[in-house]
Amino acid sequence: DQQVKQNSPSLSVQEGRISILNCDYTNSMFDYFLWYKKYPAEGPTFLISISSIKDKNEDGRFTVFLNKSAKHLSLHIVPSQPGDSAVYFCAASADGGYQKVTFGTGTKLQVIP
Amino acid sequence: DTGVSQNPRHKITKRGQNVTFRCDPISEHNRLYWYRQTLGQGPEFLTYFQNEAQLEKSRLLSDRFSAERPKGSFSTLEIQRTEQGDSAMYLCASSPWGTQNTGELFFGEGSRLTVL
Repeated sequence: DQQVKQNSPSLSVQEGRISILNCDYTNSMFDYFLWYKKYPAEGPTFLISISSIKDKNEDGRFTVFLNKSAKHLSLHIVPSQPGDSAVYFCAASADGGYQKVTFGTGTKLQVIP
Repeated sequence: DTGVSQNPRHKITKRGQNVTFRCDPISEHNRLYWYRQTLGQGPEFLTYFQNEAQLEKSRLLSDRFSAERPKGSFSTLEIQRTEQGDSAMYLCASSPWGTQNTGELFFGEGSRLTVL
């Protein structure tokens, strides 16, 4: 039962362009969402989060959008840089983040110089 | 280094042997999580602690798996009678729940288990 889904296993984008990574969830109890980035041989690192009371959160080049009615969120990276090449995981939690964090399967982003 | 520390980083064992992994969280963090990751998958939740209390265990955690956090600091994850299907990266993470409620998890570099 995959409650957090990332349907695109990989994405290639030219340097300087926008990268859009998508995520869907099925559990209506989720109200806190996070994105993590993972480089090979390292643990995932936190990127950005959003609470369900918001529909957008920005942090520098990274913006997360949340569409609660569609149970969909997306991560926008503008402009994309080669150092952004990594695996990106979408994650979700309930009770404002108090409950366990459930991860998606990941999207491998390649930014081409 | 004040990050999450996991040991050993890599363990190769024969089927049927027991293995134990240790996680040292960031010192002021009261939450500690264990996840398992296999190739091409995201981290799968195994269990988590608030201080020394184990709050939840996944159905994935069979009776061969046991986790402890005896003094609310470091944690151990033991796998008894290992099977080849246990081969995976075991990730530990900690968070400062209650003092900084961002929900953010801080991960260690993981312990890779290979069962022959």
